[in-house]
Amino acid sequence: GAVVSQHPSWVICKSGTSVKIECRSLDFQATTMFWYRQFPKQSLMLMATSNEGSKATYEQGVEKDKFLINHASLTLSTLTVTSAHPEDSSFYICSASGVPGHFTDTQYFGPGTRLTVL
Amino acid sequence: GQQLNQSPQSMFIQEGEDVSMNCTSSSIFNTWLWYKQDPGEGPVLLIALYKAGELTSNGRLTAQFGITRKDSFLNISASIPSDVGIYFCAGRDFGNEKLTFGTGTRLTIIP
Repeated sequence: GAVVSQHPSWVICKSGTSVKIECRSLDFQATTMFWYRQFPKQSLMLMATSNEGSKATYEQGVEKDKFLINHASLTLSTLTVTSAHPEDSSFYICSASGVPGHFTDTQYFGPGTRLTVL
Repeated sequence: GQQLNQSPQSMFIQEGEDVSMNCTSSSIFNTWLWYKQDPGEGPVLLIALYKAGELTSNGRLTAQFGITRKDSFLNISASIPSDVGIYFCAGRDFGNEKLTFGTGTRLTIIP
């Protein structure tokens, strides 16, 4: 149990285009989903927290108009990187919490999406 | 954002050796979690700790929640090749659903 998937696993796009990344909780309904960014050889940095049906809460320094988050259901959250630029190239990882039978705050992570902007 | 300090940054050990790493914070956390991340993958939860002083095992892994609530350690006994990866600690404040991640410890096993 507690499986989180992400799609796509990797994407290459041209500068100026938008990219959508999906995060799904496969065997549970997640009360909260989180989006992280990880640069090479660095730790995970939280970008935003989202709850189903409400607006995401962004961390300081993260542009909400550039990183659009939609949490349409208890099993799906999407991150759209708008007008991507090379400096947005990174490893984007989502996590979900609210697993039945587990402590509600324990986060389970997806496999990540590697974004490369040319 | 804030990060937790993990030490050592990297470890080079031989198969069969025991491993010990720790994580320290300047502030108190209510929950400590240990994750392992393989290259190109998301972190996988290894152990969760919810009470100061708690000692929890998961197979060859043992982790403890420091009594000051500002630190935690992870031990791996009799290391095997699949233990290679980056280990992250993460702390959570009471009443705050966000995690703060450590800087990571990279474990390499020398043939």
